[in-house]
Amino acid sequence: GNSVTQMEGPVTLSEEAFLTINCTYTATGYPSLFWYVQYPGEGLQLLLKATKADDKGSNKGFEATYRKETTSFHLEKGSVQVSDSAVYFCALTPANGGSQGNLIFGKGTKLSVKP
Amino acid sequence: EPEVTQTPSHQVTQMGQEVILRCVPISNHLYFYWYRQILGQKVEFLVSFYNNEISEKSEIFDDQFSVERPDGSNFTLKIRSTKLEDSAMYFCASEMGSGELFFGEGSRLTVL
Repeated sequence: GNSVTQMEGPVTLSEEAFLTINCTYTATGYPSLFWYVQYPGEGLQLLLKATKADDKGSNKGFEATYRKETTSFHLEKGSVQVSDSAVYFCALTPANGGSQGNLIFGKGTKLSVKP
Repeated sequence: EPEVTQTPSHQVTQMGQEVILRCVPISNHLYFYWYRQILGQKVEFLVSFYNNEISEKSEIFDDQFSVERPDGSNFTLKIRSTKLEDSAMYFCASEMGSGELFFGEGSRLTVL
C-alpha cells in the first residue's frame, strides 16, 4: 500500500545551520508529494509540493526534489531561522484513484531552532 | 487572509457520548475533509466531501462517524458513541480543487 516514512524527531539546530529532514515513500505509480508545516498553535500549511519525478518544490528557502529512483522527497534548507521552528509533515496523494485530498502523511518531525 | 476555523479547540467527553466537531471551511472552497491524529501517530485521512455527499472514506470512518454540511457554511463531524480510542486531534481541511488543502488548527477530543 501507500505509505510515508520520515525521520524521527525532535531535531534541534542552531540558527543558520543546514537542515535536512528525510522522507521516503512507498506508492504505486507516480504520486504527488508534499511537505506541510504546522507552526505552534496553527493548522497545517502547505510548504511545497512536487507532482512528477525530478521536480523540485521550493518555498521560503526550503527545497525538496522528487526522486523516483530512491523514492525520496527530502526537505532541505541552507540556513534555518528561529521562526522555522515547527512540525514538518511529508505527505503524498496516491497516483491512481482516491480523492485528490486523500493525503497520506508521515508522523511529522518537530524542528526546534535555537538562537 | 481566509482561514479554516474549528470549534471547539478541546472537548472532553465520557465514553459512549455523542460528539459534534464543527468546522467553517474557506467560503469559496468546494472540497472538504476530516483528518485525525492520535497522539504520537500519523495524521490519518477520515473522509472527503464534495457536492453534498461523501466522495471517499477510510476504514476508520465506520458507522459511528457521520459528516454533514447543514447550511452551506459549516461542515461537521459527528461521532455517535465515542470510544476511548477516538481520543485524537481532529483536523478539518478544505480546497478549491487545486490539490492545495487548507487546514484548521484542529479540535482535540479526549474521551474518558
